[in-house]
Amino acid sequence: DAGVIQSPRHEVTEMGQEVTLRCKLISGHNSLFWYRQTMMRGLELLIYFNNNVPIDDSGMPEDRFSAKMPNASFSTLKIQPSEPRDSAVYFCASRPETMNTEAFFGQGTRLTVV
Amino acid sequence: KQEVTQIPAALSVPEGENLVLNCSFTDSAIYNLQWFRQDPGKGLTSLLLIQSSQREQTSGRLNASLDKSSGRSTLYIAASQPGDSATYLCAVRPGDDKIIFGKGTRLHILP
Repeated sequence: DAGVIQSPRHEVTEMGQEVTLRCKLISGHNSLFWYRQTMMRGLELLIYFNNNVPIDDSGMPEDRFSAKMPNASFSTLKIQPSEPRDSAVYFCASRPETMNTEAFFGQGTRLTVV
Repeated sequence: KQEVTQIPAALSVPEGENLVLNCSFTDSAIYNLQWFRQDPGKGLTSLLLIQSSQREQTSGRLNASLDKSSGRSTLYIAASQPGDSATYLCAVRPGDDKIIFGKGTRLHILP
């Protein structure tokens, strides 16, 4: 398996534009996590899904952020409209459903909003 | 609310030394604890996973311990090498499915 795959790896966009980040889970994994990483705040959990269902989105900063899992292997995180303070590295991670298993992370998308 | 703290935030040691990175968490009700490594500009690589019922896990020169009752874990690196330079992150899985991270320790091994 190629691991968790995120695209794009880098994104530079202008303030006010819509940004869509993509994540492909490892085959057979049931849980999907989206994180945001900044120097000031470290890794913050934005939202996580179990079996395609959003379980906890309390970390989503505001209504400009939305996440979906249209199928068991794919997820998107959308920011609309984007703002400079959204600049960060966004990671997704997946994990099998069984209780004590490792989470595996993608390489991240570095987002810069100018 | 579960909080994870890693001390120190940064550490520089000469090559060849043994070192210990610390992680503490506020709620001892966890399923497991995972140590990750992150190289600059890269993703997270899982190093070790300790189940709540375990006391330690070893992989090569790395040894992670867990004292759940006191809310502490340590990552021991033996005979450090310049290639060990990276940020080391500790993460706990509390009673739900979340994974809560500390802010990491930036380790620099001096050649």
